[in-house]
Order: sequence, then C-alpha cells, then structure tokens
Amino acid sequence: GDSVTQMEGPVTLSEEAFLTINCTYTATGYPSLFWYVQYPGEGLQLLLKATKADDKGSNKGFEATYRKETTSFHLEKGSVQVSDSAVYFCALSLRGFNKFYFGSGTKLNVKP
Amino acid sequence: EAQVTQNPRYLITVTGKKLTVTCSQNMNHEYMSWYRQDPGLGLRQIYYSMNVEVTDKGDVPEGYKVSRKEKRNFPLILESPSPNQTSLYFCASSPTSGRSDTQYFGPGTRLTVL
Repeated sequence: GDSVTQMEGPVTLSEEAFLTINCTYTATGYPSLFWYVQYPGEGLQLLLKATKADDKGSNKGFEATYRKETTSFHLEKGSVQVSDSAVYFCALSLRGFNKFYFGSGTKLNVKP
Repeated sequence: EAQVTQNPRYLITVTGKKLTVTCSQNMNHEYMSWYRQDPGLGLRQIYYSMNVEVTDKGDVPEGYKVSRKEKRNFPLILESPSPNQTSLYFCASSPTSGRSDTQYFGPGTRLTVL
C-alpha cells in the first residue's frame, strides 16, 4: 500500500551543522510530497512541498527535491539553528484519493 | 485570524462514556480531516470530508464517527471510547481536496481514556 518512511530520530546537531532527514515513499500513482514541522505543543504547519518529479520545494533555508527515480524527498538545510528544533514529518497525497499519508516523524534537537 | 480551532484541548474520560471533540475553521475550506498521532506511528488519518454531507474513511476509522452538517464544523465522535483511543488528535482543513493543497492544522486535543 501507499506509505512514507522516514529516518528515525532523534537527530542531534550542533548549531550551524548541515541537516539531512531522509524520506522515501511508496505510492501507486503520482503523489504530491510535503514536509510539515511540529514545534513543541503546537499543531503541524507546512514547511515545503513539491507536486511533480524534479520539483524542488524550499522555505526558511530548508530544501527538498522530488526524486521519482529513487522515490525520495529528503529534507536538507545547510546551517541549522536552535530555533529549528522540532519534529519533522514527511507526507504524501495522491491524486483523486483525497487521503494523506504521514511518516512517523523525526525529532531534531539543535544544541548551541 | 485564519485558524482551525479544536475543543477541548485536553480531556480525561473513562471507558464507554461518549464524547465529542469539536473542530471549526474560519477559512471557508472545503476539505477537513481528522488524524491521530501516536509515538512511533506518526499521524494516521481517521476520517475526512470533501464538503458538506460528504465524508469518508481514512486508514483508522474504527471506533470513530464524524459528521459535516456545516462547512466550518467537523466534529469527531467517540461513542464508546476505549483505552486504545488514548492519543493526540488533530483536525486539519484545506481549501479544496486537491492533492497539492496545503493542510492547516488545529492545535491538537490530548485525549486520555481510563
């Protein structure tokens, strides 16, 4: 079935380090792909998205490229800040099915 | 302010006592959805609604009911809660049911069933 797999956390980095959070997906059609972020005690909010192969989503220094050949949508940031500490969720939605699938979430801790 | 609101934010109840968690959005969104978040499992979709009077099951609908009588409201009903429904629940809405639409999430409802 359709699903999203992302790397387990927590991921602990020092400020200004490079971040990669891996995400791969399984889908029967052509999904849209999303990264959502959840700050402590809050609901999820969209970080970035990509709707077709080779699209790159970007926001707040974060980037992810929709790779159809490897069914991946890895999240990257060149220099993390303490304020980036949160849980990050990879998600997909499929055309015509109106359903959404989320990964299990990756907790990021950034230390000063 | 454009937002999704949920009530209550915290609830402790006992097995079998019917409860309703309300969800309301003020953005005139067509699509609304309920999720539960459990450690190690991420978010799983319970039910969704593409418009008034149109609802459908997500991946984990057992033990839950929903209704969509007005566009802005999408309550989640647990008619006979059980301990395995202890979880963090999120309501979300998006402008349409398009696959590329951004979902806007409420702040969450933490439910404990004893």
